[in-house]
Amino acid sequence: KAGVTQTPRYLIKTRGQQVTLSCSPISGHRSVSWYQQTPGQGLQFLFEYFSETQRNKGNFPGRFSGRQFSNSRSEMNVSTLELGDSALYLCASSLRVVRGQPNTEAFFGQGTRLTVV
Amino acid sequence: GIQVEQSPPDLILQEGANSTLRCNFSDSVNNLQWFHQNPWGQLINLFYIPSGTKQNGRLSATTVATERYSLLYISSSQTTDSGVYFCAVESRPNDYKLSFGAGTTVTVRA
Repeated sequence: KAGVTQTPRYLIKTRGQQVTLSCSPISGHRSVSWYQQTPGQGLQFLFEYFSETQRNKGNFPGRFSGRQFSNSRSEMNVSTLELGDSALYLCASSLRVVRGQPNTEAFFGQGTRLTVV
Repeated sequence: GIQVEQSPPDLILQEGANSTLRCNFSDSVNNLQWFHQNPWGQLINLFYIPSGTKQNGRLSATTVATERYSLLYISSSQTTDSGVYFCAVESRPNDYKLSFGAGTTVTVRA
């Protein structure tokens, strides 16, 4: 079974540009969430989607947005990039329910390393 | 929001030694996971353990949900165990996000 796939793996962008990152969850997983990891702030939650609906959003400016498609694939977009947006962006998927029982175990992709210059 | 504290922040071990990593959390949880972050940044699942005890080879974990802590045990450590270990929790009721601790950096020396 394929794991969580994130593309691209590496990106270099210039300040002011925008960027779109993609995440394909494990087959059958309908919940996709995004996290930002920086040396200063650690791992921080960005947002979570389930069946194309955003159910929770972290404390990030409106420049950070996301969406989920009907096949559960998700994208996140960062507009007007700032130097401080340089980070590892991680996507996770989870099943949420297994045989009628809640199962919230999350599985992470390899991440997209974004550098803003 | 829920607070997650990991200790110690850094751990240096001699190969073959045993160690215990601790994770304290401030509220009831419906998910607790331990991860090992590899050098390329990917978070590798070690345990999904909102309560109880699990073992996987040289690793084992225990979560005492009523006392709001979890422990990760590494026995007979190997150099490949080096890296950062994270504890992450999702609080009750579902808030659909994981809150991470700051991590424990483990260095195993040959």
